[in-house]
Parts: sequence; C-alpha cells; structure tokens
Amino acid sequence: GAVVSQHPSRVICKSGTSVKIECRSLDFQATTMFWYRQFPKQSLMLMATSNEGSKATYEQGVEKDKFLINHASLTLSTLTVTSAHPEDSSFYICSASSGGSYEQYFGPGTRLTVT
Amino acid sequence: GENVEQHPSTLSVQEGDSAVIKCTYSDSASNYFPWYKQELGKGPQLIIDIRSNVGEKKDQRIAVTLNKTAKHFSLHITETQPEDSAVYFCAARPRLYGQNFVFGPGTRLSVLP
Repeated sequence: GAVVSQHPSRVICKSGTSVKIECRSLDFQATTMFWYRQFPKQSLMLMATSNEGSKATYEQGVEKDKFLINHASLTLSTLTVTSAHPEDSSFYICSASSGGSYEQYFGPGTRLTVT
Repeated sequence: GENVEQHPSTLSVQEGDSAVIKCTYSDSASNYFPWYKQELGKGPQLIIDIRSNVGEKKDQRIAVTLNKTAKHFSLHITETQPEDSAVYFCAARPRLYGQNFVFGPGTRLSVLP
C-alpha cells in the first residue's frame, strides 16, 4: 500500500517553455501533497504544500508564479514549471499524506533538464 | 524553527557489520521522526519511523531509538547487506508546523562485500 507515482520520470525541455509534472496517489486518498526539489548530493528542499481543493502554501523563496501547483483531487497534484531556465534543472519529488496521518510517501521523482 | 543535523555524512561498513546513523533536532515540540532510504535516481522510501511517545522501535534488521531529553534519534541497521547501500535521510515533524518535515542532510552508506 501507500504507492505514489510521478509522470514523467524524465523530461528535457528548451529554455522558455513550460513543463507539467503529475503526482498521483494510487491506493489512498492524499489530502495533502508536498513538492520537493533535490540538487545532486543534497537533501530534500520543500517547495510547497498543497491540500486538496485549496491553494498551495509556498516556502519562502519559492516563486509561486513560476512553480504552479494544482491539487484538484484527492489522488492528483500537478507541478508546472513555467518559463523554465537551465537553473530550474533538478530532481523534483512529490510526496503524499492522508488526513490525520503523520507518514509521507514519496513518488519516484522527475528529472528535469532545461537546455 | 526546527533544525536537524545528521552524522556521519558518509559511512562505510563491511557486509555483516552494523551501521548507526545519528540525528539531532532542535525543536522539543517535534513529535514524529521518520527515516528514509534513497537509492540513486529514485525517490525516498520510508523504512522506519518513531513517534515522540515511544523510545525504541524495531523492524527486522532495522531499529530506531529516540532520546527526547537529549533531542536525538538514531537508526541502527544490523547484519548489513550490499543492498543496504544508499543515502539515508532522517526527518523531524515539528508539531506546530503542520504536516511538514524538516530533513537532515543525509548519510551515504556503503556496505562493502
């Protein structure tokens, strides 16, 4: 149980274009989803937290107009990187948690490369 | 806010030996402490967790201990195997910070055959 999927696993895009990453909870209802960013050999950095049906809460320093998060259902959240630039290249990972639960279950991650 | 430190940053052990990774946290109100294993190119996998009202928890070869007074918790892996090689992250969940976690910087464990 507690399986989270992400799509795509890898994406290469050109500078200035937008990319959408999907995060799905496959066998539970995710009332809260989290989006993290991870640079090579570093820890996970929380970007934003989203509750189903509500606007996302962004961490300090994360541009909400650049990283658009939608959590329209209890099983799906999307992260759209708008007007991507090479410095946005990173490993993006989502996690999901069900209501009242402390555990967070992570997706397999999406490797974004902006050329 | 909460701050989580983790030591060592790298750890090499011989197959069959034990490995111990330690984390300290600063917020005494933190109430949940998970450990994640991350293999190269993959997302973190929850391997064990402990709540603040428990001192120790064990699952086969993996155990976690929590010392609330000293504000530190440790991951113990016994009879290590090459497939245990990965990066391990500890995290703390500050009680007053919603469901968010604060992660440690990670420990790269290498189990040598």
